[in-house]
Amino acid sequence: GQGVEQPAKLMSVEGTFARVNCTYSTSGFNGLSWYQQREGQAPVFLSYVVLDGLKDSGHFSTFLSRSNGYSYLLLTELQIKDSASYLCAVRDYMGYKLTFGTGTSLLVDP
Amino acid sequence: EAAVTQSPRSKVAVTGGKVTLSCHQTNNHDYMYWYRQDTGHGLRLIHYSYVADSTEKGDIPDGYKASRPSQENFSLILELASLSQTAVYFCASSPGTVNTLYFGAGTRLSVL
Repeated sequence: GQGVEQPAKLMSVEGTFARVNCTYSTSGFNGLSWYQQREGQAPVFLSYVVLDGLKDSGHFSTFLSRSNGYSYLLLTELQIKDSASYLCAVRDYMGYKLTFGTGTSLLVDP
Repeated sequence: EAAVTQSPRSKVAVTGGKVTLSCHQTNNHDYMYWYRQDTGHGLRLIHYSYVADSTEKGDIPDGYKASRPSQENFSLILELASLSQTAVYFCASSPGTVNTLYFGAGTRLSVL
């Protein structure tokens, strides 16, 4: 089976950065995705990684270490509107479905 | 315009009643999913489908049925609604491999 863990809350300051962590355990890893979910809205896809290392997508960057079962989403030059929940999801070996973590609620203070 | 449309957007149901949640997608995707979201549990997969007229059980299928009459439509049926099924339900679609899920706006279901 698969387990995905995330810290519940994270706070940071506008103009700085925030790192949202995700750890997972899986019997067969086939990729990891990050989603952003604003209050009362649907999740929106941000990034997908399957290889180790850092994937830079500008405002959002994603790191993956398969040997450690660990990923993080790095948000730089934070804005107030980045306040949202960030969901980590692991793709199963067959590739049919995603298992989500409980999400990290990021609050960006002025 | 929205490519995954859910209806209704909110519903109040009585315990023991039947509830049907509908989902329609115009993405031309083969895969469709039903998730529920509860505080403290995140998104949990109920049922999914990768072809019309066929559905698969997800991680928490008990108390739910699913129907996929066409590529575009995927329904979630609660035959006997219970208090524990109060949650927000999301439908999603994806192309052949689930790198990216495209979610509907969600249905807020309250069972009283």
